[in-house]
Amino acid sequence: AQSVTQLGSHVSVSEGALVLLRCNYSSSVPPYLFWYVQYPNQGLQLLLKYTSAATLVKGINGFEAEFKKSETSFHLTKPSAHMSDAAEYFCAVSDRPPGNTGKLIFGQGTTLQVKP
Amino acid sequence: DTGVSQDPRHKITKRGQNVTFRCDPISEHNRLYWYRQTLGQGPEFLTYFQNEAQLEKSRLLSDRFSAERPKGSFSTLEIQRTEQGDSAMYLCASSLPGQLGYTFGSGTRLTVV
Repeated sequence: AQSVTQLGSHVSVSEGALVLLRCNYSSSVPPYLFWYVQYPNQGLQLLLKYTSAATLVKGINGFEAEFKKSETSFHLTKPSAHMSDAAEYFCAVSDRPPGNTGKLIFGQGTTLQVKP
Repeated sequence: DTGVSQDPRHKITKRGQNVTFRCDPISEHNRLYWYRQTLGQGPEFLTYFQNEAQLEKSRLLSDRFSAERPKGSFSTLEIQRTEQGDSAMYLCASSLPGQLGYTFGSGTRLTVV
């Protein structure tokens, strides 16, 4: 069974500082991996996705994530935090073909606080 | 592309009442998903449609829950005899087959009092 663990339910950084949100996955087959962002009372927005084309994936709003198979990790980073980055971030894993339903298994989320 | 639309945005209901939520996916998307998100948690998969066929249901979807997508377009999620534990955000998402990552709606927040 697939699962995702997000280390740290709350992360606080200063504006302009590096953002690092941690995600480790468990999967018996090569996974697809995703990061989503959720603002208060909103749905989820896709930041980026890993599909095996490249281990370093660039997404929207300056975020990127690196797939490390040896560490079963897919950590999300951004060089310089903006106040507008304050939100909840979710890492997710899904299955691959031929059993691909597109169903996502989400981590519990990390709340990012950005201090002025 | 008008996005995934969910209605209502908020619903407050008394315990024991029935509620129904609606999701309108992006028009050309034939896959539709329902998720439930409780406070402080990540979304949990409830069910999945491809066109009008409901292909997978989570064990979270008790007998009180039913989802339909009668014409392969919009979908409804009904909860009968609501309980306080049903209070959550109900999220709908849609995608094309083979599309990785899907588009979520803004959700319906249910509060059972």
